Amino acid sequence: QVQLVQSGAEVKKPGASVKVSCKASGYTFTSYGISWVRQAPGQGLEWMGWISAYNGNTNYAQKLQGRVTMTTDTSTSTAYMELRSLRSDDTAVYYCARDGAGDYMDVWGKGTTVTVSS
Amino acid sequence: QSVLTQPPSVSAAPGQKVTISCSGSSSNIGNNYVSWYQQLPGTAPKLLIYDNNKRPSGIPDRFSGSKSGTSATLGITGLQTGDEADYYCGTWDSSLSGVVFGGGTKLTVL
Repeated sequence: QVQLVQSGAEVKKPGASVKVSCKASGYTFTSYGISWVRQAPGQGLEWMGWISAYNGNTNYAQKLQGRVTMTTDTSTSTAYMELRSLRSDDTAVYYCARDGAGDYMDVWGKGTTVTVSS
Repeated sequence: QSVLTQPPSVSAAPGQKVTISCSGSSSNIGNNYVSWYQQLPGTAPKLLIYDNNKRPSGIPDRFSGSKSGTSATLGITGLQTGDEADYYCGTWDSSLSGVVFGGGTKLTVL
């Protein structure tokens, strides 16, 4: 079955970086893109950006431009999201989701909790 | 403040029908497809509706979506206690060049 398996929870200090992985299985990885969405505690969904697993093209949310980098490794069907210069308000659950063209997300990972605290 | 506006909460009795609205503008809902997601407590979001009114395989026809102008609506009939969740609308925003979500609506089945 189609699934996305994300890496485990992370605790980081302010100013550090975090890299979350998302391993896809059950479908042809390069036929879809991956969107990353985060959710701060008690808050709604925030789209972070999208990457094409076919050619690596990216589209990042304006708010995160310069701090976020999304990559893929087609040899392992894995997508990565790196967020730098972490702040306390980056504390959230980070989700990866399969997204054909950057418009809707039909399969979601279970989420990775990232806590930023000194 | 979310780009798309949803009511914070709605409620209805089991077996009844409820609708959840999602209001936007010409740069998002007015010219792009809308999707809807259900997030049960403590779980990841799940796609309910895409392209305004299409249901993915496995989503019961109790769930429906519609769009008119710059607003979209999610309808749920035959409410069940298991439908208690947060519901989010989402769409592409051409001005922001990114996906935007509503603030979410908490459904309570009384």
